[in-house]
Amino acid sequence: QSALTQPASVSGSPGQSITISCTGTSSDVGNYNYVSWYQQHPDKAPKLIIYDVSYRPSGVSNRFSGSKSGNTASLTISGLQAEDEADYYCNSYTSSSVVIFGGGTKLTVL
Amino acid sequence: QVQLVQSGAEVKKPGASVKVSCKASGYTFTRHYIHWVRQAPGQGLEWMGIMNPSGGSPNYAQKFQGRVRMTGDTSTTTVYMELSSLRSEDTAVYYCARENSSGWTRFDPWGQGTLVTVSS
Repeated sequence: QSALTQPASVSGSPGQSITISCTGTSSDVGNYNYVSWYQQHPDKAPKLIIYDVSYRPSGVSNRFSGSKSGNTASLTISGLQAEDEADYYCNSYTSSSVVIFGGGTKLTVL
Repeated sequence: QVQLVQSGAEVKKPGASVKVSCKASGYTFTRHYIHWVRQAPGQGLEWMGIMNPSGGSPNYAQKFQGRVRMTGDTSTTTVYMELSSLRSEDTAVYYCARENSSGWTRFDPWGQGTLVTVSS
């Protein structure tokens, strides 16, 4: 099972909005609403920020939002802040009853 | 609070095995599956498998079939991941994470990670 496809890097200025895409296939992202997003700061464990495509866990800022269209899920961060600079990963359930991750996206806040 | 605390760093020689522990607290241990994920230096996250602490057969990623074993001990609320026939490419930080849904993608929280270094 191949990894989900994410852009290697994205950047934005403070206050702007950015979107990170996560592209899979009809066997994973396109067939299930089981897509999550994780934020990982250097040398830290990942943190769940979006689950089931568009739900935010308690305590996660409403500046983070998720959506899906076809085989592509997206994470949008609005009102960029310096603390948002991190790596972001998506994952999805698959028809093979396994979980796959995206390759990760490095977000730089300019 | 819900917490997963992992065992300390390990250094192993090629061909050896490593067993990483993950102690759960703050919730009913048997009600949540546990995932194992690894991250090689400078690389992305790689899913290894999922297990039910109550028992039953774990589900392993094909890449690790035959080399990984995930087990649990309800008396100590601890899960274990054992990886055998280690090679240099297995050098990575290994994480456990609690599953929170039926969709197997709601990993929360994560353990702090355990660095496994494979070197001769």
